[in-house]
Amino acid sequence: GAVVSQHPSWVICKSGTSVKIECRSLDFQATTMFWYRQFPKQSLMLMATSNEGSKATYEQGVEKDKFLINHASLTLSTLTVTSAHPEDSSFYICSARSGQGNNEQFFGPGTRLTVL
Amino acid sequence: GQNIDQPTEMTATEGAIVQINCTYQTSGFNGLFWYQQHAGEAPTFLSYNVLDGLEEKGRFSSFLSRSKGYSYLLLKELQMKDSASYLCAVRDNTGFQKLVFGTGTRLLVSP
Repeated sequence: GAVVSQHPSWVICKSGTSVKIECRSLDFQATTMFWYRQFPKQSLMLMATSNEGSKATYEQGVEKDKFLINHASLTLSTLTVTSAHPEDSSFYICSARSGQGNNEQFFGPGTRLTVL
Repeated sequence: GQNIDQPTEMTATEGAIVQINCTYQTSGFNGLFWYQQHAGEAPTFLSYNVLDGLEEKGRFSSFLSRSKGYSYLLLKELQMKDSASYLCAVRDNTGFQKLVFGTGTRLLVSP
């Protein structure tokens, strides 16, 4: 299957700082990328959908000014958590879809964010 | 809106068979996926159903009834390594074809 990477795999930051998480499709071009958040013992919650070259579409209740998403190329999307607070501590997972075949989504390994 | 429900937890014995149910009410439907997720890891794809019926893949099978908004994942010959969370996800039929996940079921397999 296709490979999606995320960087960093984990990050610890102080409250009030911003953190950038990268999501890359390594062997295919991702026309659409998705960002999910997962709290302990809960399922994945879709935060936003991004298409290359256009603004991201956010799910209801997700603050677009706090979670900045940039999909600058067909292989890279970034999520920036601005002015992070302890309640933003979570597991952030991206996935990518190529737009071909059965449009299966491929998931990255996730990024564990801890805000102190 | 989207509403996808699964049992929160299930337990089973090694070698047994377990069925994990998923019911959904969604505004659009373009397929149902099952994923396995171990703690701290990303979900891994198990199965995909878009038409009614049973899809079999080794020890795992998945069933779909679109008219009933119902699916199940059947795991046979359970192994200890099958202890994980199992996530049901529905793909919508909008341009983005988003995957929306259910509540997830934590399965514990005991010896």
